[in-house]
Amino acid sequence: QKEVEQNSGPLSVPEGAIASLNCTYSDRGSQSFFWYRQYSGKSPELIMFIYSNGDKEDGRFTAQLNKASQYVSLLIRDSQPSDSATYLCAVNRQRTNTGNQFYFGTGTSLTVIP
Amino acid sequence: EADIYQTPRYLVIGTGKKITLECSQTMGHDKMYWYQQDPGMELHLIHYSYGVNSTEKGDLSSESTVSRIRTEHFPLTLESARPSHTSQYLCASSESGRDRGLWGYTFGSGTRLTVV
Repeated sequence: QKEVEQNSGPLSVPEGAIASLNCTYSDRGSQSFFWYRQYSGKSPELIMFIYSNGDKEDGRFTAQLNKASQYVSLLIRDSQPSDSATYLCAVNRQRTNTGNQFYFGTGTSLTVIP
Repeated sequence: EADIYQTPRYLVIGTGKKITLECSQTMGHDKMYWYQQDPGMELHLIHYSYGVNSTEKGDLSSESTVSRIRTEHFPLTLESARPSHTSQYLCASSESGRDRGLWGYTFGSGTRLTVV
């Protein structure tokens, strides 16, 4: 079983719609959760992080975490063509005695259609 | 402006050559990482370091080696490049003291390596 699983997509939404990206993780010991955006040919950039159950909002982005269900999602409101990218879910958990380790999903490709 | 720098951005090299991919960060981060990513595929951790003179292999078996002689510098070396090494290599760093990982990684711009 993979540490982090995402629907690979592609996901297409019209401009102005809400895009919903989902992620599940396998280890209940995971401590914090991240969403990265990666444009084609570019490196990932951090857009949201969350570590408590519930919702966290930042502008048009909302991250939702449900630790009981081991589920984290990202909602993008008022989607714009510039949001078209691959979104990577990452989780952080204790891996060794020296520190935490990140695990990434395969990413969901999002296309926002003008 | 990026605080973590990778060079070169693109490299095409012949089989059997020795290559070093450079990664430097100016943020004073203790933790540094190398990931490998093929198009449309997930990131795979190949090496990491939690400080000077500390290096560990990641989850993905790799024929590369790394060194961490200075905090800011984490080069990756392939002694004998093969076509199977063709991939994108991403360097990242994170702060120690943020051990709950609240702040995530900062990634470099990547090196796209092609071995012919």
